[in-house]
Amino acid sequence: GAVVSQHPSWVICKSGTSVKIECRSLDFQATTMFWYRQFPKQSLMLMATSNEGSKATYEQGVEKDKFLINHASLTLSTLTVTSAHPEDSSFYICSARGGSGGANVLTFGAGSRLTVL
Amino acid sequence: DAKTTQPPSMDCAEGRAANLPCNHSTISGNEYVYWYRQIHSQGPQYIIHGLKNNETNEMASLIITEDRKSSTLILPHATLRDTAVYYCIVRVARDTGRRALTFGSGTRLQVQP
Repeated sequence: GAVVSQHPSWVICKSGTSVKIECRSLDFQATTMFWYRQFPKQSLMLMATSNEGSKATYEQGVEKDKFLINHASLTLSTLTVTSAHPEDSSFYICSARGGSGGANVLTFGAGSRLTVL
Repeated sequence: DAKTTQPPSMDCAEGRAANLPCNHSTISGNEYVYWYRQIHSQGPQYIIHGLKNNETNEMASLIITEDRKSSTLILPHATLRDTAVYYCIVRVARDTGRRALTFGSGTRLQVQP
């Protein structure tokens, strides 16, 4: 079935540095990918919609200059957290259309846990 | 997407059936019922979806009432690995590639040994 791979699965960085998270669709093409963020004991919150070959669409309250999204190919979207601060520590998850349930299903990556010291 | 209501938590004994309810009284005729689950520290996992007929796959069964205002996800023989948060989401199927899923608070299922 369709697989969405995220890398790294966890990362620790110092405050002020930038971190890149990759999301790949391994056996299918994804013109659209979605990025979510999840804080402890909370549900997933959509951050942005990543569109291949065009600019991402960000949800209200999400800083586009801080969370840079690049979707340069049909199988890869990247999220870069720039000048990370401790409040950016979170679980970041991507998803793309396609999966064992067919075209009307979203498949999610395993997530990337970011800890900013 | 139609609003859904789920109990915040449920317990189930290992080996027994887990029946997770979901109310969606404002569901439209072209909206499907989707179920996903999230095991701790993992991404959500698709389980099953349906429109109006009952559905079954290798993971679970989905029972949708005749008026479509509620549904039940059934895990026939729950194991400890089924401990997770289960999300019931109602939406139009063709929106899948265009709009992200909106997650509520779901039901936290704890399978007890």
